[in-house]
Amino acid sequence: KNQVEQSPQSLIILEGKNCTLQCNYTVSPFSNLRWYKQDTGRGPVSLTIMTFSENTKSNGRYTATLDADTKQSSLHITASQLSDSASYICVVSHLTGGGNKLTFGTGTQLKVEL
Amino acid sequence: NAGVTQTPKFQVLKTGQSMTLQCAQDMNHEYMSWYRQDPGMGLRLIHYSVGAGITDQGEVPNGYNVSRSTTEDFPLRLLSAAPSQTSVYFCASSYSSTNYGYTFGSGTRLTVV
Repeated sequence: KNQVEQSPQSLIILEGKNCTLQCNYTVSPFSNLRWYKQDTGRGPVSLTIMTFSENTKSNGRYTATLDADTKQSSLHITASQLSDSASYICVVSHLTGGGNKLTFGTGTQLKVEL
Repeated sequence: NAGVTQTPKFQVLKTGQSMTLQCAQDMNHEYMSWYRQDPGMGLRLIHYSVGAGITDQGEVPNGYNVSRSTTEDFPLRLLSAAPSQTSVYFCASSYSSTNYGYTFGSGTRLTVV
């Protein structure tokens, strides 16, 4: 069964600190891995997309890594800001006869405090 | 450029009522999809469309219908609302279903009583 597991479930950090969110998946055959940021009451917003051949991708203070061999990904947030408070969702895309299908993780709820 | 627009933002229905959730995008995206988001669960695909006139079922299609008469619009119809359909619904669009990021709407929070 295709699954995406994220850890931790929730995290509280002080403003200015760094943090790393984890994502493990069992999706096969793998197509790409995406990280989304979802603010409360809003739709998810794409941060990064990585294919099999990419092992790191950055978007400002967000850096995602991918180890396709161990089926793990991480999202590193540098110098956190209050506006980083959100749910971060790992999404893995796999190939099917009908095209790419996405499996969503349940998200890591990040709170950044003063 | 409005992106993906969903209406309404909130809706309360009585069991057995029907309604249509609207979704429109102005980015000329071929791929559109509907998801539901429930507490403690990842987003789950209800229906999707790879272009005008083409739709297909996702993971949880029962109780929902879709149509795609234009590239821009992808409405989701609840035929006979049930309490189990209480959820937040998101519409998403993309150039294709492959290596492109999805643009999500801001969601419709539906409560069925």
